[in-house]
Formats: sequence, structure tokens, C-alpha cells
Amino acid sequence: EIVMTQSPATLSVSPGERATLSCRASQSVSTNLAWYQQKPGQAPSLLIYGASTRATGFPARFSGSGSGTEFTLTISGLQSEDFAVYYCQQYNIWPRTFGQGTKVEIK
Amino acid sequence: EVQLVESGGGLVQPGGSLRLSCAASGFTFGSYEMNWVRQAPGKGLEWVSYISTSGSNMYYSDSVKGRFTISRDNAKNSLYLQMNSLRAEDTAVYYCARGYNWKDYWGQGTLVTVSS
Repeated sequence: EIVMTQSPATLSVSPGERATLSCRASQSVSTNLAWYQQKPGQAPSLLIYGASTRATGFPARFSGSGSGTEFTLTISGLQSEDFAVYYCQQYNIWPRTFGQGTKVEIK
Repeated sequence: EVQLVESGGGLVQPGGSLRLSCAASGFTFGSYEMNWVRQAPGKGLEWVSYISTSGSNMYYSDSVKGRFTISRDNAKNSLYLQMNSLRAEDTAVYYCARGYNWKDYWGQGTLVTVSS
């Protein structure tokens, strides 16, 4: 099983600033990585797939990068609606595994 | 509009059984692989099970293998999860989610509580 490790667990950011979230895989997943956004009381929403392709409905301030074992989600110019928990998920092999999440909170 | 609506959750005693359902609409259900993903209270996401479009291939996480069974009825646009021998650690919100690789649509979830 591939273990996905996200850091930091919590990120305190002021509105308008940039947030950088990290996701590390215990072995290479190529670019078979997705990011999800989850707001309180809601289901997760697909944000990024293929490590860097934005899903429908998400603005360009969200960007993903990386390959192999190291991945980054960057949110430029944080808006109030961006404060949420973000999860990475690998789909290189079964079982599909998620990171433990990074909570982006208002500073 | 794609919609996934879960049902069947509730309170069950340890060792008991429960069957979850997911009603799909707004897309050709039989053309998409489906999954169950769960989230324990205050915790992260855990993939539980996968089923292929025809229902001929299924995968399970080690934590539920041998106890849970995923199935689908393409004629009824429905996905199911039969959960047996339930344990306290199975307490979670259970989501159905579409997709083989990434999960592009999710239901709102149904809460399963295993407690005496």
C-alpha cells in the first residue's frame, strides 16, 4: 500500500496570501495524483487530477505540480471560500490511498 | 446534473449488518466505475471499495475485506454496499463516488454508527 503524507497538518494563512500544501508518496505514483477540497459538513470536491489539471469550476488561483513522490498544491491569493481541508489521493495502484489532509485556516 | 444520493445509514450494534444504497442520476450510470469512500468523525478519507462498470470486478480495502460486499444494478442506476460483522471502527460517513482513478462526483454521504 502506498502511504500518502501531507504537510503541514494545519496551515494558517491571511486572506490574499499564498498557501503551499505538500503531499508525499511512499513510492512513486508518477503523476497519478488528485487533490480534493472539503468544506465543513460537505462532501469532498475534485480539485486537481493528473497532478496538475484543474477540475471544472475551480479558478486559476489553484495550481498543482509535482511527479514521482513529491507534490504541491498552491493557492494564490486565498479567498474566504478557500478555507477548507485539502486531501491528496494517489491512483497509481490499488488500494487507492488518501493523505490525512491539510486544514487551511484563516490567520 | 450529476447526482448521487446515499441512503441506508443508521445506528447498528456491533456484529450487526447494514445495507447502503446510492441512487445515481444525470449520467449513464452503467458507463462509470463506482466506489465507496468513508470518513470517520473528525478524520480523513478512506477508500473502502470499488466496482467495475459491469460489476464483474471488485476491490476492497483490507479493513473491510471479507465483511463488506459492493454491488450494482445498472438497470436501477444504483450502487450498494452490504456491510456485515460491523465494528465500532466502521463508524463513519459513507460516500459513494464516481470514477476509476480520481473521484469526480460524490454524494452527500450517509452516517453509519456502530454502537451498543
